[in-house]
Amino acid sequence: RKEVEQDPGPFNVPEGATVAFNCTYSNSASQSFFWYRQDCRKEPKLLMSVYSSGNEDGRFTAQLNRASQYISLLIRDSKLSDSDTYLCVVNPSGTYKYIFGTGTRLKVLA
Amino acid sequence: GEEVAQTPKHLVRGEGQKAKLYCAPIKGHSYVFWYQQVLKNEFKFLISFQNENVFDETGMPKERFSAKCLPNSPCSLEIQATKLEDSAVYFCASMPRIMGDSEAFFGQGTRLTVV
Repeated sequence: RKEVEQDPGPFNVPEGATVAFNCTYSNSASQSFFWYRQDCRKEPKLLMSVYSSGNEDGRFTAQLNRASQYISLLIRDSKLSDSDTYLCVVNPSGTYKYIFGTGTRLKVLA
Repeated sequence: GEEVAQTPKHLVRGEGQKAKLYCAPIKGHSYVFWYQQVLKNEFKFLISFQNENVFDETGMPKERFSAKCLPNSPCSLEIQATKLEDSAVYFCASMPRIMGDSEAFFGQGTRLTVV
């Protein structure tokens, strides 16, 4: 089983739609969680950290469910510019490296 | 600098040739990471440094891969005797500190093609 698992998609959604991605992780002691986005093999860029209490940044909301070991990303009112690959990243406890999921592709259609 | 600088952007090597990639972390960042991204978006952790010291090298294929971060020089990742499966984008990232929700800043990557 992979340490971090994501549905690869693609998710094709119309502009204005709400879309949600989940990501599961295997190390129950993991401490830090992030969503990054990556455009077509360019460098990944931090979208948001994921906090235990959940957090929101504009149209983006991230949630952490420790009991079920998953994190989620909700995007409201999708824009064309949201089209990207969304990478779930986990920092397992006791290590100092990021473990990446394989990414979920999102395409927002006009 | 204010961004992680990786050179070269593209590198083509024949099988068996050596490849050397460079990374200049953001000034003031103590931690440097190397990742390999192959076709299907799989990021593989290779190695990390705290300043010039190896921090974690559990992902390094030891036989042909080596890496260094020397004072006052860009960090480097060297692959001896490249193989076709080494074709990937190699990303370097730097962080100011290692704890909590510290963000990793990535360079633009070096695309290595082994032919």
